[in-house]
Amino acid sequence: DIQMTQSPSSLSASVGDRVTITCRASQDITNGLGWYQQKPGKAPKLLIYTISSLQSGVPSRFSGSGSGTEFTLTISSLQPEDFATYYCLQHNIYPWTFGQGTKVEIK
Amino acid sequence: QVQLQESGPGLVEPSGTLSLTCAVSGGSISDSHWWTWVRQPPGKGLEWIGEIFHSGSTNYNSSLKSRVTISVDKSKNQFSLRLSSVTAADTAVYYCARDSSGFYSFDHWGQGTLVTVSS
Repeated sequence: DIQMTQSPSSLSASVGDRVTITCRASQDITNGLGWYQQKPGKAPKLLIYTISSLQSGVPSRFSGSGSGTEFTLTISSLQPEDFATYYCLQHNIYPWTFGQGTKVEIK
Repeated sequence: QVQLQESGPGLVEPSGTLSLTCAVSGGSISDSHWWTWVRQPPGKGLEWIGEIFHSGSTNYNSSLKSRVTISVDKSKNQFSLRLSSVTAADTAVYYCARDSSGFYSFDHWGQGTLVTVSS
């Protein structure tokens, strides 16, 4: 199975900060990488698909980049509603696998 | 707008079988999408369980494959999950979701349902 290693596992940031979360795959997953946001008690929400495509309705402060085995989710200016846990998902080689999550907390 | 809703018992006894159904509304389960199950133990991360296409084709996570069955009922526009021989480790929130099929993502999710394995 492909291992998805997310870093950091948690971070503290202030409103307005630029935040970067990284996901590394144990092998090349081409463009099968997405990012999800999950708030407590809620289902995950798709933010980014195929590495860098913004899901409809998602604010443009969210962006994704990367290739091959290393991928990044960036929040350009953190807003109060962005405090949540973020997961990457590789959707290229079965079984689909998630990163372990990054919890973004208020500093 | 596609909506998904999980239903099923919230409590299952150890060694029993967990059974959940996901009802799809606002779209047809026969559309060209895979339909998937994901679970999340309390306080932990997400795990993909498996998926089904309306034709009945399935793919399962190898870690659960011997215990999992996913089926589809096109007449009711729903799909189902069965997980046998459950233990406390299977206690989790179970989500159903739609695979965007071609865009490498799960674009619609149910709200999730907590299933506890306990006697």
